[in-house]
Amino acid sequence: NAGVTQTPKFRVLKTGQSMTLLCAQDMNHEYMYWYRQDPGMGLRLIHYSVGEGTTAKGEVPDGYNVSRLKKQNFLLGLESAAPSQTSVYFCASRGPFFSYEQYFGPGTRLTVT
Amino acid sequence: GIQVEQSPPDLILQEGANSTLRCNFSDSVNNLQWFHQNPWGQLINLFYIPSGTKQNGRLSATTVATERYSLLYISSSQTTDSGVYFCAVEIQGAQKLVFGQGTRLTINP
Repeated sequence: NAGVTQTPKFRVLKTGQSMTLLCAQDMNHEYMYWYRQDPGMGLRLIHYSVGEGTTAKGEVPDGYNVSRLKKQNFLLGLESAAPSQTSVYFCASRGPFFSYEQYFGPGTRLTVT
Repeated sequence: GIQVEQSPPDLILQEGANSTLRCNFSDSVNNLQWFHQNPWGQLINLFYIPSGTKQNGRLSATTVATERYSLLYISSSQTTDSGVYFCAVEIQGAQKLVFGQGTRLTINP
C-alpha cells in the first residue's frame, strides 16, 4: 500500500513550456486535491475532485488545469508555465462522506525559469 | 470564507521542554486536522480532531468547537519534533480544507 504518490519529484521548466504532474492513490479514495505551497506560507488549494470525472476550482486555479479520468489518478497540467508557478505542489486524497482525514503525497518541487 | 489563525508563528525551545500551539477558526467546522511538515517537506497527519481530546504518545490535541479553537500539546520535545505544524479546517459541505499559516517549531539540542 503506497498511499499517495506523485510524479515527478523535481522539475525545471522554461517559461512557456508545458507539463503534467501525476498523482496516484491506492486507497480507493473518492476525493483528491492539488495544493501549492510557497515559501513561508501554508497550503493553498488549486483544484480538487470529489469523484471520477469531476473537478472543481479551489482558491488559486488560474494557469492550471486538471483531469480525473480514473478514480486513482488526478493530473495537474500547466499549459504555459510562468515564474510565478515556481512552488512545491502537493497532492492529497481522502475517503468519501464521513471519512474526513486527508493524506498527502511527498510533493513535487517545480522551478520555472 | 473561513479564517484560520495559528499562534505563535515561531517557537524556539530546548530539548525536553513542553509547548502549546494554538489554532483559532472563525466558523463552525466538521473537520479539523493537525499536520506536521518535517524538515524534508513531508506532511504527516497528527490528529483528526473536530472536537474533544486525543493523545498519541508525547502529543495530544484538544478542540473546543463551541469556542472555535484547537490546541496541540507537545511534551518532552525532541529535535525530531522540529518543523512546521499546520492546522486545517473544513466547514460543513465544503469538501475541502483551509490551512492556517503554520507554526514553525525549532527544538535545539
